[in-house]
Amino acid sequence: GAVVSQHPSRVICKSGTSVKIECRSLDFQATTMFWYRQFPKQSLMLMATSNEGSKATYEQGVEKDKFLINHASLTLSTLTVTSAHPEDSSFYICSATTSGVYNEQFFGPGTRLTVL
Amino acid sequence: AQSVTQLGSHVSVSEGALVLLRCNYSSSVPPYLFWYVQYPNQGLQLLLKYTTGATLVKGINGFEAEFKKSETSFHLTKPSAHMSDAAEYFCAVSALEYGNKLVFGAGTILRVKS
Repeated sequence: GAVVSQHPSRVICKSGTSVKIECRSLDFQATTMFWYRQFPKQSLMLMATSNEGSKATYEQGVEKDKFLINHASLTLSTLTVTSAHPEDSSFYICSATTSGVYNEQFFGPGTRLTVL
Repeated sequence: AQSVTQLGSHVSVSEGALVLLRCNYSSSVPPYLFWYVQYPNQGLQLLLKYTTGATLVKGINGFEAEFKKSETSFHLTKPSAHMSDAAEYFCAVSALEYGNKLVFGAGTILRVKS
């Protein structure tokens, strides 16, 4: 149980285009989903927290107009990188958690974005 | 504020040798502590976690970690390394007062020599 999927696993796009990444909880309802980015040889940095049906909360320094997050249902959150540039190339990982006193995060397999 | 320090960005051990990956944290409230493993181009897999109760926690693949409040440490160990243990390991801390956010250490790459 507690499986999180991401789609696509890899994407290559041209500079200036937008890319959408999906994060799905396959066998549980995720009240909260998190989006992280990981640069090569670095740790995971939290970008934003998204709760179903409400606006995402972005971490300091993350452009909300560039990284659009939608959490329309309890099993799906999407991250759209708008007008992507080469510096947006990174590994994007989502995680999902349920409600409760202790909320373990379950991680997706990640999406490798390359912007040419 | 929370922070996590992993001593040693790279650790190399021989197959069959003890694995010790160090993690120290700072938190103003009792934390939850985690170790994750990441294989190349993959997401994170939870190895083990400490929330409450017994301070020595056992995880998957023979790993264990001990929460030492006095030392603010949560070091990860495995008695005998296997080639398949070669990966990157992340220590992370979370506290309910911070909205369940995870703060990750910088990671330690474990190399296992045959």
